[in-house]
Amino acid sequence: QSALTQPRSVSGSPGQSVTISCTGTSSDVGDYNYVSWYQQHPGKAPKLMISDVTKRPSGVPDRFSGSKSGNTASLTISGLQAEDEADYYCCSFAGSYTYVFGTGTKVTVL
Amino acid sequence: EVQLVESGGGLVRPGGSLRLSCAASGFTFSSFTMNWVRQAPGKGLEWVSSISFSSRYISYADSVKGRFTISRDNTKNSLYLQMNSLRAEDTAVYYCARVASGSYNSWGQGTLVTVSS
Repeated sequence: QSALTQPRSVSGSPGQSVTISCTGTSSDVGDYNYVSWYQQHPGKAPKLMISDVTKRPSGVPDRFSGSKSGNTASLTISGLQAEDEADYYCCSFAGSYTYVFGTGTKVTVL
Repeated sequence: EVQLVESGGGLVRPGGSLRLSCAASGFTFSSFTMNWVRQAPGKGLEWVSSISFSSRYISYADSVKGRFTISRDNTKNSLYLQMNSLRAEDTAVYYCARVASGSYNSWGQGTLVTVSS
């Protein structure tokens, strides 16, 4: 049950694109298409941004997209906006009703 | 509207016990797997425990196994977390979250548990 590895921080100017990686193992990210991404603003509960690797829930802007290759999943924010500044966490199903979260990435809009 | 409301947090001494509750509304509670997720102050999210819709399948993070017990009462639309032998490192905001298709599509506002002497 080791945490998935994410970069500590990424940054970009408004309008630019940023990508956050999420590296796990063949027992979690690599074995299931149940990777999700969450946005968390300070003092708030997390918000689902991407489910099932690539699916965007209703209401989530289409500038958020997800992908996966092998044991690494990625979240891309295209056309970065000021309100996207937040912490982002990936999460993967790991079998037998267990889950594992990523270490978290702080996105800064310059 | 889906609502999850946690309660039961507070200050407890090391070695003590606490029971968290999560009241669910706005959806068919008995049809969903539910989880507890926690976040220590200034730290990341950590999965704690999971319970299937019928309570048949239950799992725990290694960090809480043997000390925490998850349960649910589908007649009361409620989820619970009994926490025993609490340690300082259990200090965190505890969220209940609804699972759908392998992701958490609804979260409560969280309840703070502080373990300190």
